[in-house]
Amino acid sequence: YELTQPPSESVSPGQTATITCSGDKLETKYVCWYQQKAGQSPVMLIYQNNKRPSGIPERFAGSNSGTTATLTISGTQAMDEADYYCQAWDSNTAVVFGGGTKLTVL
Amino acid sequence: VELKQWGAGLLKPSETLSLTCEVYGESFSGFYWTWVRQPPGKGLEWIGEINHSGSTRYNPSLKSRVTMSVDTSKNQFSLRLDSVTAADTSIYYCARLVRGYGIGHWGQGTLVTVSS
Repeated sequence: YELTQPPSESVSPGQTATITCSGDKLETKYVCWYQQKAGQSPVMLIYQNNKRPSGIPERFAGSNSGTTATLTISGTQAMDEADYYCQAWDSNTAVVFGGGTKLTVL
Repeated sequence: VELKQWGAGLLKPSETLSLTCEVYGESFSGFYWTWVRQPPGKGLEWIGEINHSGSTRYNPSLKSRVTMSVDTSKNQFSLRLDSVTAADTSIYYCARLVRGYGIGHWGQGTLVTVSS
């Protein structure tokens, strides 16, 4: 099973960033999103498509419909510049990661 | 919940990678414990998972070389990867996985370099 993400996206400070993750029948699966800043371990941003763990700012939101899951960052800040990964489970409940998207805040 | 990991950081080709992760502040049972790796400058790759009873699931691409084990008395789980090559050079992370939820807690990562 494969998850496809764009390699890079860019956004201006204060604007909305959108990062997509595509996979076959993805809407039938739970999708998670992780943020990884340079030199750090990943951090979970979203689980079960649209839920935020405690401590994650409200500007991070997730959705999942059809073949595409989307991470939306509202009011993007310079601190949001990072790599973002989606993750789901394949039919054998094995973990699958997307290739990652590098978000640049210009 | 805190995960601390350790292991050899420099290996020669054909040697065996061995890493251990200790879990603090959390019951070992009831979760899956997983290993994820990341080649320098590249994306995340799931290696496999193990639960407290030793039930495992491995990435098919690594299955022939991977062994995971658990020591519940020490709240530790371990990764063994046989016959390493330069392609196995990565940062290796241990983490806590909840199926249907995701990976909520990660170790600090260990850079393992394979070089002759």
